[in-house]
Amino acid sequence: NAGVTQTPKFQVLKTGQSMTLQCAQDMNHNSMYWYRQDPGMGLRLIYYSASEGTTDKGEVPNGYNVSRLNKREFSLRLESAAPSQTSVYFCASRMSQVTAFFGQGTRLTVV
Amino acid sequence: GESVGLHLPTLSVQEGDNSIINCAYSNSASDYFIWYKQESGKGPQFIIDIRSNMDKRQGQRVTVLLNKTVKHLSLQIAATQPGDSAVYFCAEKKGNNYGQNFVFGPGTRLSVLP
Repeated sequence: NAGVTQTPKFQVLKTGQSMTLQCAQDMNHNSMYWYRQDPGMGLRLIYYSASEGTTDKGEVPNGYNVSRLNKREFSLRLESAAPSQTSVYFCASRMSQVTAFFGQGTRLTVV
Repeated sequence: GESVGLHLPTLSVQEGDNSIINCAYSNSASDYFIWYKQESGKGPQFIIDIRSNMDKRQGQRVTVLLNKTVKHLSLQIAATQPGDSAVYFCAEKKGNNYGQNFVFGPGTRLSVLP
């Protein structure tokens, strides 16, 4: 049982490049989330998907788009990467009142 | 190494001592709180949770205390071990149903000294 799997684990982009971060969960959870984590700050919500077919903006959505491909997969896309998007990105999933389970993270550097 | 948490408050404790990590939350209407542990290079892991109708909840070697009057949470770790070294986050629930988000505190780094 893998839980929440994120790919890639590390990525370096040049300013203006695009990329998609992938996330998949095998726990049959309805809700999935994308967070970013910056030094000295807690996790901040970028986008979430309460259930398959729905997505909503979180606290810091600018510069990102998401796709809830199916119940298992929730991807995060950076259309034109900026240095301010250098961060560690975490995907999480949860079901109802159960706590969220997090992936191992993707460390993204934009130069 | 892990760059997250470079500027975090740090708590250093001797191995075998008890640790107390504190957290202030913002919303007096929050009704659910979680403590997460994040080891270097890994995602946050659930430790313990508590609902607002409780003042205290105990797990294995961990206890969470909730003081709603002053909007304060604490995590107590008994007999701290080297494996407890990590960054600890508190989170409060915001919203309802499946779209609920958790608002995370900035975290505290716990260092266990031999």
